[in-house]
Order: sequence, then C-alpha cells, then structure tokens
Amino acid sequence: DVKVTQSSRYLVKRTGEKVFLECVQDMDHENMFWYRQDPGLGLRLIYFSYDVKMKEKGDIPEGYSVSREKKERFSLILESASTNQTSMYLCASSPPGQGYGYTFGSGTRLTVV
Amino acid sequence: TQLLEQSPQFLSIQEGENLTVYCNSSSVFSSLQWYRQEPGEGPVLLVTVVTGGEVKKLKRLTFQFGDARKDSSLHITAAQPGDTGLYLCAGYSGAGSYQLTFGKGTKLSVIP
Repeated sequence: DVKVTQSSRYLVKRTGEKVFLECVQDMDHENMFWYRQDPGLGLRLIYFSYDVKMKEKGDIPEGYSVSREKKERFSLILESASTNQTSMYLCASSPPGQGYGYTFGSGTRLTVV
Repeated sequence: TQLLEQSPQFLSIQEGENLTVYCNSSSVFSSLQWYRQEPGEGPVLLVTVVTGGEVKKLKRLTFQFGDARKDSSLHITAAQPGDTGLYLCAGYSGAGSYQLTFGKGTKLSVIP
C-alpha cells in the first residue's frame, strides 16, 4: 500500500526551539507539499517542491523553511517555534499531472508552549 | 488567488437521510477533486471530475461538476455513520498547474 509517512503524530515543543517535521513517501512522486490545517481556516499551503533541491513558497511561508535533499523526503523546519505555529501539519505528495490527486500523510499535531 | 467556497460549513443528519454539499467559485477550474478527512487523519481522495457537466458515482456518493466548471456538488444517499467526516473540495486552476486550491470543507456528522 502506497504511503506518505510523517515522523510524529503528536509533538510538544517550547517557544524558540528549532523544530523539524519529516515526511517520507514511497511512491516516487515528484511533487511534495506541506500544509497546515486550522479550524475555520482550512488547509493553507506553506511550501511545495516539484523536484529534488527545488522549493517554492506557498501562501504562508513566513517562519518556516524546507529541505528536499532526496526525492522521497521533504522536511519542514520551524526556525524558532512560536505559539501561533500550534497546528495540524499535513504533508502530501503527487505525481506530475492533475489526474491523480494528492496522497496525504496522517498529520503531525504540533503544540508550541 | 482562486477561492473555493463550501456550504454548508456544518451538517448534522440522521442515518438514512440524503444530503448535498456544495463547492462554488467565481473562477474556472480545469479539474476538481473531492476528499474526505476523518478525525486525526489526512484527507483521502474520493474522486476527480474533469469535464463540465460530468457526473461520477461512488456507491452512495454522486459527484457533479458544473457545466461552466466553476462549481461542484456531492450528494450522499442514505447516509451512514461511516460517512462522518470533513469533506473537502479542491481544484486545479489551469491545465499546467499541479497546485491544488482547497475549500475550507463541510463537516458532516451522521447520527445513528
């Protein structure tokens, strides 16, 4: 069964910490995405990547960075965590083209205290 | 930025009832998808519609893409508790785009 795996389901971090969220996919997909999901705001795109070492800013990149050194792995980095980054973080991947849709991971519920 | 508006935002119905949720935009989308998200999980793709006027059925779920490709609907017949979840519509804005725009979702609760 094809999969997008996020390293942690739940994470609690302190304000100011550097936080790494890892995402690995086993489908050889070119495209990978990081979203955050908040009640009333829906899914908001943070960053995406369409190839190794390539990255593009989404709608809300401030306070975040990403790394894609290998095709299967896309990491989201919170440089200095703040309480307003408490959220559900979802990673997704897709092949090129529009017919396939996204495959999402199960999400990481991050709480910053 | 192209927006997708979903309605209603919340829906609570009894098992066995029928329901329709809507996804509307002022913009044209080259294709549109519907996802279902269960609590604590990521969204899962249900269907992709591409052609204006297209209707697709998935068991008790019927999906329709508007003729002008600006709106879509999801109809569920004889809802069951297993249908409970957040239903998201998402669209690709252009033929070469691989970035989806998501609506905020309709949260459906089906009461046994």
